[in-house]
Amino acid sequence: EVQLVESGGGLVQPGGSLRLSCEASGFIFSSYEMNWVRQAPGKGLQWISYISSSGYTVHYEDSVKGRFTISRDNAKNSLYLQMNGLRAEDTAIYYCARGERILYDWGQGTLVTVSS
Amino acid sequence: IVMTQSPATLSVSPGERATLSCRASQSLGSNLAWYQQKRGQPPRLLIYSASTRATGVPARFSGSGSGTEFTLTISSLQSEDFAVYYCQQYNDWLPLTFGGGTKVEIK
Repeated sequence: EVQLVESGGGLVQPGGSLRLSCEASGFIFSSYEMNWVRQAPGKGLQWISYISSSGYTVHYEDSVKGRFTISRDNAKNSLYLQMNGLRAEDTAIYYCARGERILYDWGQGTLVTVSS
Repeated sequence: IVMTQSPATLSVSPGERATLSCRASQSLGSNLAWYQQKRGQPPRLLIYSASTRATGVPARFSGSGSGTEFTLTISSLQSEDFAVYYCQQYNDWLPLTFGGGTKVEIK
C-alpha cells in the first residue's frame, strides 16, 4: 500500500522559513516523479512544485519561484520542500503527491500557517 | 490553461444522477483527471485520461469528453459520494492546473 506522510508544518512569522518532509513507502520511491500541491483554507488546489525521479529536474509555480526549493533523498525515500521568505498567502495545507502529470497518490497533508 | 468547473454547488438526492462539468481554456486532448476530496481528507484520484477509472473506483463514476469540454457523471449517488470534485489538466505541463471545484451536497 502506498503511503505518503508529510511533516514539518506549523506556525511561522512572515519572512520565516520551514522545511516540509514527505516520507514515502509502499512503492519504489526512486522510480517516481513527485509534486507538492497546496490548498489554502476553504479554497481549491494549487500545484506548486515538481521534481523528477532522479532529482535533477525541478519546476516551480511562479509565486514560489526563488523562495521555495524542492529536493529528494532517494536513499531515505523522502521528499522535501524548503520554504523561505514565507508570506501570509502561503498559509495552506501542503500535500505531497506521487506522479508526473497524474497525481495518483496523496499524503494527508501538513498545515503551514504564516502569521505574526 | 484555465480550468472552469460548473456548477459550483450541486444539490442531489441519494440515488439520483449527478453531472459535473469542466471546461478548459484550450484543447487538452484527453489529458484530464478528476479527483474527489471529502471533508478533512486529501484528494483522491478518480478518473484520468478523461475516462479511465483509477484502481478501486466504483463503476458508478464515469468520465467523458475531449478537447475543451469534459463531464464527470455519478450514476446513482451514494452517501459516501458527497464531496468536492476537482478536474485537473495535464496537457500543458507545467504548471498543472485545477478547476475551482464542484461541491456535491445532499438535497
